[in-house]
Order: sequence, then C-alpha cells, then structure tokens
Amino acid sequence: NAGVTQTPKFQVLKTGQSMTLQCAQDMNHEYMSWYRQDPGMGLRLIHYSVGAGITDQGEVPNGYNVSRSTTEDFPLRLLSAAPSQTSVYFCASTSLSGAWFSDTQYFGPGTRLTVL
Amino acid sequence: AQRVTQPEKLLSVFKGAPVELKCNYSYSGSPELFWYVQYSRQRLQLLLRHISRESIKGFTADLNKGETSFHLKKPFAQEEDSAMYYCAHGRASGTYKYIFGTGTRLKVLA
Repeated sequence: NAGVTQTPKFQVLKTGQSMTLQCAQDMNHEYMSWYRQDPGMGLRLIHYSVGAGITDQGEVPNGYNVSRSTTEDFPLRLLSAAPSQTSVYFCASTSLSGAWFSDTQYFGPGTRLTVL
Repeated sequence: AQRVTQPEKLLSVFKGAPVELKCNYSYSGSPELFWYVQYSRQRLQLLLRHISRESIKGFTADLNKGETSFHLKKPFAQEEDSAMYYCAHGRASGTYKYIFGTGTRLKVLA
C-alpha cells in the first residue's frame, strides 16, 4: 500500500495562476480532506469529502475548489493563486466504516506551495 | 464551535526530564481527542487517541472532562521525541470536521 500520495512536492506559482494539487489514497477510505499548515496557525481544514460526489467546506475554503469523482482521488484546485495561499498543504484520509470515535487520519507527505 | 487550544508554541526540556504538552478543548458533548506527531521531514502520524487509553513511545494522555483537557505526558524525555505535536478533536455526532490545535514544538536538549 502506498497510503496517501500527493503531487507535486514543491510548486512555485505567480499571483493569478491556477493549479491543481493531486491527492490519492489506496486504502478505500471514504473520508478525504485537505489542510493547510502555516506557522503559528496549526492545521486548518480547507475542504473535505465523505464519499464520491460529496464535498463540503472546512474552516478556510475561500480560493479553493475540490471535487471527488472517485473514492481514490481528491484534487484541490487553486483558482487564482494569491501570496496568502503560500503554505504547506496536506491531504488526509480516514475510514468511516468503524465506530465514529475510532478514526485515524492518514496523511500524505505534503505539498509546499509558494505564490510570488 | 469546537476549538482546540495548545498554549505553548515551543517547549524545551532536557533529556530525561518529564514532559507535558498542554491541550484544552471546547466541546459540550463527548469529545473525541487525538495527539498527532510530525517528526522532521516526515508526514503527520497518529500518536495516540483518548478512546484507546494506550501508551505509545512512553507517552500517555488522560482526558479530564472537568478541566476540558487532554494533556500529553512522558516521564522521561528522549532526544528522538523532538518534533511538532498537534492535539486534535475528531468528528463528533453531526460533523465531519476535524479541528487541530496550533501545535507545540518540543525540543529535547542533550
């Protein structure tokens, strides 16, 4: 099992450019989520999905879009990059098949994004 | 709204000294709490969760509902414990939103 994979590992964008961060998992997890990690702010939830075709907003969704067409993939789209989106982005997945209180989130390695 | 507070951004201790990383939560129902750890250049991984009442790598955490706390403790710190630690509140009934604290960086000094 590869677990949760993310591409690219590093990316530099110019203000106004768009791009897609890829996330995939091979554990058949229903739940997938995107976080951004900023110094002093911890991890903040951007968007999440509880299954194919179902997505919802997290804490900081503005400027980001997601879709979930398959169980395995959960791409994060930056529509028009801004310097405030410079961050490290983590994707995570969780099984929802167990008791709700036994979840473990499995994280990807992260994508370091710089917006100039 | 759920909230997780980690008051210390940085905690430095000497090797062999006890460690306590603080975590307080705000949630009126039955909480679901975790500690995640991120070692240098590695991905976040689960350290322990309150429901399991387990001890991982010598760390324990006890849920104190009266003080709404879930502090992480270890009696004797090791240099390999140096890492970023996040307290998190998992999904509770009616929500699928995980809430993380701002994290505490633990430095264990030789």
